Amino acid sequence: QKEVEQDPGPLSVPEGAIVSLNCTYSNSAFQYFMWYRQYSRKGPELLMYTYSSGNKEDGRFTAQVDKSSKYISLFIRDSQPSDSATYLCAMNGRTNFGNEKLTFGTGTRLTIIP
Amino acid sequence: NAGVMQNPRHLVRRRGQEARLRCSPMKGHSHVYWYRQLPEEGLKFMVYLQKENIIDESGMPKERFSAEFPKEGPSILRIQQVVRGDSAAYFCASSPGTSGEQFFGPGTRLTVL
Repeated sequence: QKEVEQDPGPLSVPEGAIVSLNCTYSNSAFQYFMWYRQYSRKGPELLMYTYSSGNKEDGRFTAQVDKSSKYISLFIRDSQPSDSATYLCAMNGRTNFGNEKLTFGTGTRLTIIP
Repeated sequence: NAGVMQNPRHLVRRRGQEARLRCSPMKGHSHVYWYRQLPEEGLKFMVYLQKENIIDESGMPKERFSAEFPKEGPSILRIQQVVRGDSAAYFCASSPGTSGEQFFGPGTRLTVL
């Protein structure tokens, strides 16, 4: 079983729709949760960073963490064609030396249809 | 405020040659991580460094790969005697160390002929 599971998609939705992206994880040591957006042949861009259960909102993006269920989500409201990209969930824990490596999901390829 | 910088952006090597990939972290960041992304695969951790120290190299292949982050200058990922299977995108990320998030560079795309 992978430490982080993410539906690879592809996912296609019409412009303006609400998009829901999800990941589950098995390692209870994970404390920090991130969502990255990656355009083709570009580096991952940090979208959302959370470290506690609950919701965090930033513009059209809402990140949700449920540590009891080991489940995280990213919601995109009023989706735009420019949101078409691969979305990666990532998470890590902390050690005495600093923050651990990120463990990534495989990514969900999203296409917003104009 | 410049982000994470990587160079070169594209690197072509023949089998058996050496590849050197460079990463300059964001200003104020002293933690550097290297990841590899194979075609149609996710990002896989390779190595975590702080200035002059390797903290975690559990993702590094045992042979041919090495990394350093000297007191002065960029972090370098070195691949000796490259093989075709080394062809991938190599990403560097940096972190301030006080929080969990990591910021990625644009990557170096290595092609081995």
